[in-house]
Amino acid sequence: SQELEQSPQSLIVQEGKNLTINCTSSKTLYGLYWYKQKYGEGLIFLMMLQKGGEEKSHEKITAKLDEKKQQSSLHITASQPSHAGIYLCGADPSGGSNYKLTFGKGTLLTVNP
Amino acid sequence: GAVVSQHPSRVICKSGTSVKIECRSLDFQATTMFWYRQFPKQSLMLMATSNEGSKATYEQGVEKDKFLINHASLTLSTLTVTSAHPEDSSFYICSARVAGSEKLFFGSGTQLSVL
Repeated sequence: SQELEQSPQSLIVQEGKNLTINCTSSKTLYGLYWYKQKYGEGLIFLMMLQKGGEEKSHEKITAKLDEKKQQSSLHITASQPSHAGIYLCGADPSGGSNYKLTFGKGTLLTVNP
Repeated sequence: GAVVSQHPSRVICKSGTSVKIECRSLDFQATTMFWYRQFPKQSLMLMATSNEGSKATYEQGVEKDKFLINHASLTLSTLTVTSAHPEDSSFYICSARVAGSEKLFFGSGTQLSVL
């Protein structure tokens, strides 16, 4: 089965600082999803990456998938308190054909004003 | 983006009762929806796949008679936790895929507490 390991488990940064969250897979990633969750709430779709070397950005958040498609990173530039939450990476172990996602354990981000 | 609505957001029930959770796709049709479970400070675990017009498929270790899934229309899937017990207390969340898209959208989740 595919396992996703996220690092760090938690992160505390000062407002305005940049940060990076990593997601490493035990198998090739055919579709890698990034979500943000507030504790006890739903998941907010951020980005989905498929191709090796692919990079996508939305506002101040950039996600990349490495060429070997086994690692993805999520980078936040000039963090704000609104960025605080749990960031989850998820992948479809089937290779992208059935959309049943396996998730990492998440990275808890705290942004201090 | 597409909206997935989940109801109720929170429910408290007595042990032995059944609880129904609804998941609706508000502005798109979803032939497939997914149900996940999340324990405190843990990640989401897929429970089952809900297929419109056919039986749900359950992940290994998930009791199909315990967690009844009905996907009667292209916009609604329901999860019924039957004869709930305290160990069923958890955060349940659904997701749906927009046809023709790789995007998966999640509902806002339901916190179930069984007393």
